[in-house]
Amino acid sequence: QVTLKESGPAVVKPTQTLTLTCTFSGFSLSTSGMRVSWIRQSPGKAPEWLARIDWDDDKFYSTSLKTRVSISKDTSKNQVVLTMTNMDPVDTATYFCARVSCAAAGTGWACYFDKWGQGMLVTVSS
Amino acid sequence: DIQMTQSPSTLSASVGDRVIITCRASQSINTWLAWYQQKPGKAPKILIYKASSLESGVPSRFSGSGSGTEFTLTISSLQPDDYATYYCQPYSAHIFTFGPGTKVDIK
Repeated sequence: QVTLKESGPAVVKPTQTLTLTCTFSGFSLSTSGMRVSWIRQSPGKAPEWLARIDWDDDKFYSTSLKTRVSISKDTSKNQVVLTMTNMDPVDTATYFCARVSCAAAGTGWACYFDKWGQGMLVTVSS
Repeated sequence: DIQMTQSPSTLSASVGDRVIITCRASQSINTWLAWYQQKPGKAPKILIYKASSLESGVPSRFSGSGSGTEFTLTISSLQPDDYATYYCQPYSAHIFTFGPGTKVDIK
C-alpha cells in the first residue's frame, strides 16, 4: 500500500524559508522509474505544481518558482524535502506531495499523479 | 506550456442526473489526460488516466472519453458522494498544469 504524508511548520513568517518533508511508504525512490512531486493549492484555486525529483536524482521545477524552490531526497529514509525561500503571504496554501506515474510517450515520458499525501496547510503570517 | 479550460466552472445537479464535464487543451495531447476528484479539505484523487482508463476502485458510473484537444468526464448517475470539484490534467514530461476545475454542487 502506497502512502505519503507531509510534515513541517504550519506557520512561517514572511521572508523565512519553508522546509517541508514528504515521508512515503510502499515504494522506493531508489527503484528505477520512481518519481515524487510537490504540489500546492491556494484556497479556492486549482492545484499548482512546484517540483519533481526522480529516482536518478533528476530534478524539475516550476518555471515561475524555480529561483525559490529546491527539492531533494533521502532514499534511506524514504523522504523527499522541499525548501522554498523568501516566503510571502501569497504562498499560504495547502502543500501536497504526490507520487508520479509515467508512461513512455514517443521519445519521452508522459506523467500524472497517482497517489497523493493528505496535504498540510502552511500559513505565511507575521 | 499546455493551457487547459474546463466547462462549466460550476454545475448544479440532482442525485441521479447524468453529468458531463468538458476539458479542452490548447494543443493536441493525444489521450494523455487525467481526471481528479477533490472534496473539501482532501487531496485530489485520481479517477481516470489516459483519457478513458478507470483507476482501480473507482465506481463504474465514472467514465472518460476524448482525444486531441477535447475531453469529457461523465458521471452516469450522480450520487451524493460525487459532490466535489473535478480537475483535468494533461500528462507532461516535466512541467505540469491543471485545469481550473468544475465544482459539482447540489441543485
